[in-house]
Amino acid sequence: NAGVTQTPKFQVLKTGQSMTLQCAQDMNHEYMSWYRQDPGMGLRLIHYSVGAGITDQGEVPNGYNVSRSTTEDFPLRLLSAAPSQTSVYFCASSYSSGVNNYGYTFGSGTRLTVV
Amino acid sequence: TQLLEQSPQFLSIQEGENLTVYCNSSSVFSSLQWYRQEPGEGPVLLVTVVTGGEVKKLKRLTFQFGDARKDSSLHITAAQPGDTGLYLCAGAKTGGFKTIFGAGTRLFVKA
Repeated sequence: NAGVTQTPKFQVLKTGQSMTLQCAQDMNHEYMSWYRQDPGMGLRLIHYSVGAGITDQGEVPNGYNVSRSTTEDFPLRLLSAAPSQTSVYFCASSYSSGVNNYGYTFGSGTRLTVV
Repeated sequence: TQLLEQSPQFLSIQEGENLTVYCNSSSVFSSLQWYRQEPGEGPVLLVTVVTGGEVKKLKRLTFQFGDARKDSSLHITAAQPGDTGLYLCAGAKTGGFKTIFGAGTRLFVKA
């Protein structure tokens, strides 16, 4: 019963470095999304995917890339890290009927600090 | 840009009190969800409502979706210290492709 697994849990990057945040789910969910959470701002949608091979931008996509080659995996790439990307990142997956999103299962998060 | 506004932002109450948290928007949603998040963890889904006027109960928690599907409320009866946490509402339009979150209500229940 792994659910949504995110790695790493913590990461410190230097400005300009790149890295990939990993996300995997074992529930065969079609929808997967990446959110960032900053104090007082709730969760903001970065990118999302409605199925393998299909991705789209959310509210704050700049500086991030995603791909969805399989149903299970949805990695988030930071191209050139900036201090403004210091945040807690959550990956989430959900089942949908095609009409309604029935609610996300979230991973435990990756706490990223960019210095 | 669709927005979900939650109120109050912060609530500190005594054990045994009742409380209501509100989630409002000018947009119509096909479904609305409530989550609770504890420090250092991801949000955990409490409920999803999809029908205007729908009321769902989860033990001491009562969730209502507005008739026009633009707003929702969460009512907690006889709050307990274990209810302490960040409560988030989230709305999805038809298809559920983009789910947006409110900024959250931080609840602290004192024993």
